[in-house]
Amino acid sequence: AQSVTQLGSHVSVSEGALVLLRCNYSSSVPPYLFWYVQYPNQGLQLLLKYTTGATLVKGINGFEAEFKKSETSFHLTKPSAHMSDAAEYFCAVSDTGTASKLTFGTGTRLQVTL
Amino acid sequence: SAVISQKPSRDICQRGTSLTIQCQVDSQVTMMFWYRQQPGQSLTLIATANQGSEATYESGFVIDKFPISRPNLTFSTLTVSNMSPEDSSIYLCSVTTTRYNEQFFGPGTRLTVL
Repeated sequence: AQSVTQLGSHVSVSEGALVLLRCNYSSSVPPYLFWYVQYPNQGLQLLLKYTTGATLVKGINGFEAEFKKSETSFHLTKPSAHMSDAAEYFCAVSDTGTASKLTFGTGTRLQVTL
Repeated sequence: SAVISQKPSRDICQRGTSLTIQCQVDSQVTMMFWYRQQPGQSLTLIATANQGSEATYESGFVIDKFPISRPNLTFSTLTVSNMSPEDSSIYLCSVTTTRYNEQFFGPGTRLTVL
């Protein structure tokens, strides 16, 4: 069975500062990894995904994540935070493909302050 | 991307009653899923809605409590039966399409059970 651990339920950064949201996974097979963002009272939106190939994945809104197999990690980063980045971020894993059922982490709420 | 609508967007229900949530997609999709997001928690997959056959339920979820229908490629319903306050959650529909190799989420239905 697969699982996802997100360290830090709440992260606060200043506008312009680096954003780092941590995600570790467990999977018995090569995983498919995802980061989703959820703005207040909205559904989830895909930020980026890792399937195979290049381990550094670039997504929308300036976010990127690096798949590190040795560390079983898929941390999300953004060089400079913007106020509009304030939202809930979920890391997810699938062991059967990008269009299959997902196992989600518990989420990290990102707060961006002036 | 696929455009997904859910009805109702929110509801307040009495204990012991049932609520049916509708999920409508603007294009034909391959897979449809139902997730639950309990207050302050992550998303948990309830079941995969299969067209023309019984849904596939995840561990801890049963058909008597969460009957699901999927009569065609663009529509599904989830019923929350004999509700209790513990059923208060956001219920989200998600879909995958052959055109887009990712999973799209609806806006969710916010259910409060008194």
